[in-house]
Amino acid sequence: AQTVTQSQPEMSVQEAETVTLSCTYDTSESDYYLFWYKQPPSRQMILVIRQEAYKQQNATENRFSVNFQKAAKSFSLKISDSQLGDAAMYFCVVNDMRFGAGTRLTVKP
Amino acid sequence: DVKVTQSSRYLVKRTGEKVFLECVQDMDHENMFWYRQDPGLGLRLIYFSYDVKMKEKGDIPEGYSVSREKKERFSLILESASTNQTSMYLCASSFLTGLAAYEQYFGPGTRLTVT
Repeated sequence: AQTVTQSQPEMSVQEAETVTLSCTYDTSESDYYLFWYKQPPSRQMILVIRQEAYKQQNATENRFSVNFQKAAKSFSLKISDSQLGDAAMYFCVVNDMRFGAGTRLTVKP
Repeated sequence: DVKVTQSSRYLVKRTGEKVFLECVQDMDHENMFWYRQDPGLGLRLIYFSYDVKMKEKGDIPEGYSVSREKKERFSLILESASTNQTSMYLCASSFLTGLAAYEQYFGPGTRLTVT
């Protein structure tokens, strides 16, 4: 079985600052995929970033990057230059169907 | 743009009623999923389907059934609604691959209240 743990139910960041959301997981598979999804208030869930476990290089998408530590089973999301539009629930996901409980990010102007 | 639509944004039903939640996607995706979202629990998989007439149980299938008669449509059925099924229900779809896992596209969700 796979479990995904997001230990920060809520986080807050000042606009233009950097914030890191944590995620740890447990899996017995040697090859797998990791995702961060974003769910803005009253809006649809969308993909933020995707990481393939066999790739050692950390994925990056504009202001979003991950710190993937395979041995530690850790997959954190870093948001740089935070914007008001980044305010949302963020979910860490392993292999498409296993979601963490989510972290609610607030961005202060 | 991929579009996943759900039949209702808000639904109020009475205990014991049969409830149908419909989901339609327009990207010819093989995979379709039904989740329920509850505060503090994230999303939990109820059922998924990788092909027409095929279905697989997720983590919490009890009290639910599904139907996939056409590739683009995936229905979630609550045979006899109960108050503990009050929740947000999210549908999603994705391409079917071998070992890879691809992005899921989500619908807007249906907030179901059972009284």
